[in-house]
Amino acid sequence: SQKIEQNSEALNIQEGKTATLTCNYTNYSPAYLQWYRQDPGRGPVFLLLIRENEKEKRKERLKVTFDTTLKQSLFHITASQPADSATYLCALDATTGGGNKLTFGTGTQLKVEL
Amino acid sequence: DAGVIQSPRHEVTEMGQEVTLRCKPISGHNSLFWYRQTMMRGLELLIYFNNNVPIDDSGMPEDRFSAKMPNASFSTLKIQPSEPRDSAVYFCASSLESGGPPYNEQFFGPGTRLTVL
Repeated sequence: SQKIEQNSEALNIQEGKTATLTCNYTNYSPAYLQWYRQDPGRGPVFLLLIRENEKEKRKERLKVTFDTTLKQSLFHITASQPADSATYLCALDATTGGGNKLTFGTGTQLKVEL
Repeated sequence: DAGVIQSPRHEVTEMGQEVTLRCKPISGHNSLFWYRQTMMRGLELLIYFNNNVPIDDSGMPEDRFSAKMPNASFSTLKIQPSEPRDSAVYFCASSLESGGPPYNEQFFGPGTRLTVL
């Protein structure tokens, strides 16, 4: 069966360090993958999209990698700050006939401590 | 732009009652999505529309759930009759889709927290 796995345990790191979050999937062949941030009581907010033919994508302090052989995406936040504390969701393209259907992982909660 | 607008923000109802959730997508967006989020199951896609037409409703849990999009600026998700297990946060999202690459981000509303007693 299809599955998207993100570390369900919260990730606690110190301010200034690099946070690395993992998204593993099985029985999908996504054309792209997206990462979203969700704060408590709010809807998810889009951060980055990476396509299957892209190995890496960067945006300011964020970096995403996509390995279709390992079926894994890594999401990095460099020089982390307490304001980066949130839940981060990966979402896979689950489209079978056009459109933009996404299947979301359950998310990893990140807490950046002073 | 005001973003995706959802109403109500909170709804508390009793089992068996009808519940209607409302969504106004971002102007100009042609795709609309309804999601449900719970601690146990995470964020699940219920149904999505493209150009007001339902494209995929395979995530709708059962016949008690129905969704409509009568025009490009309004959609409803109805639960009738509601049950305690329907308690969750329901999100509406919209995006601008071309039907192929590049695939665009989805913009989420603030959600409706539904509690069925």
